[in-house]
Amino acid sequence: GENVEQHPSTLSVQEGDSAVIKCTYSDSASNYFPWYKQELGKRPQLIIDIRSNVGEKKDQRIAVTLNKTAKHFSLHITETQPEDSAVYFCAASTMDSNYQLIWGAGTKLIIKP
Amino acid sequence: DADVTQTPRNRITKTGKRIMLECSQTKGHDRMYWYRQDPGLGLRLIYYSFDVKDINKGEISDGYSVSRQAQAKFSLSLESAIPNQTALYFCATSDTSAGNTEAFFGQGTRLTVV
Repeated sequence: GENVEQHPSTLSVQEGDSAVIKCTYSDSASNYFPWYKQELGKRPQLIIDIRSNVGEKKDQRIAVTLNKTAKHFSLHITETQPEDSAVYFCAASTMDSNYQLIWGAGTKLIIKP
Repeated sequence: DADVTQTPRNRITKTGKRIMLECSQTKGHDRMYWYRQDPGLGLRLIYYSFDVKDINKGEISDGYSVSRQAQAKFSLSLESAIPNQTALYFCATSDTSAGNTEAFFGQGTRLTVV
């Protein structure tokens, strides 16, 4: 079955700098890759997602890139701000697995003032 | 966002007690899930349901049971609570009628077993 690995587990960056979180997946049939943000004490919420027919997707300061050959995808946050501090989760799913989301372990992003 | 509602939000219970966590949704989604999150850890799937007549075990189903009473309701039971079931529990829904789509989470239930 699918396995998703996420790195790093903790990332500390200076406010204004960029942050990159990477995930690798094992099932080449995976075709949907969402990223969720979980603020302290809150529920996880989708911030961006990408499908396998696209290599990159942007939404303001957030972007996701997908490399199907290498089976990895990354979340990029530019010009980081204090409100970006949260735990970020990646996930992957495939029609073969009945669209079941397989989750990464999460990355705690700390934005230093 | 009250589309996925969990009750209670917080609960303290004693070891050995039976407890039920409830989840209801107004999104009309077919899929419902129960996840457990421990401090500093990720989301672990307990059970999931594709529709009213379908229940599937996740990676950590031991000690838990579920009931999908209607498309909009999915409850999680701890038959005999133990302290290591202390965690944050999330219900989630998704609509797979059009293929892969995002999961929507409830606000979470913080359960403490003493």
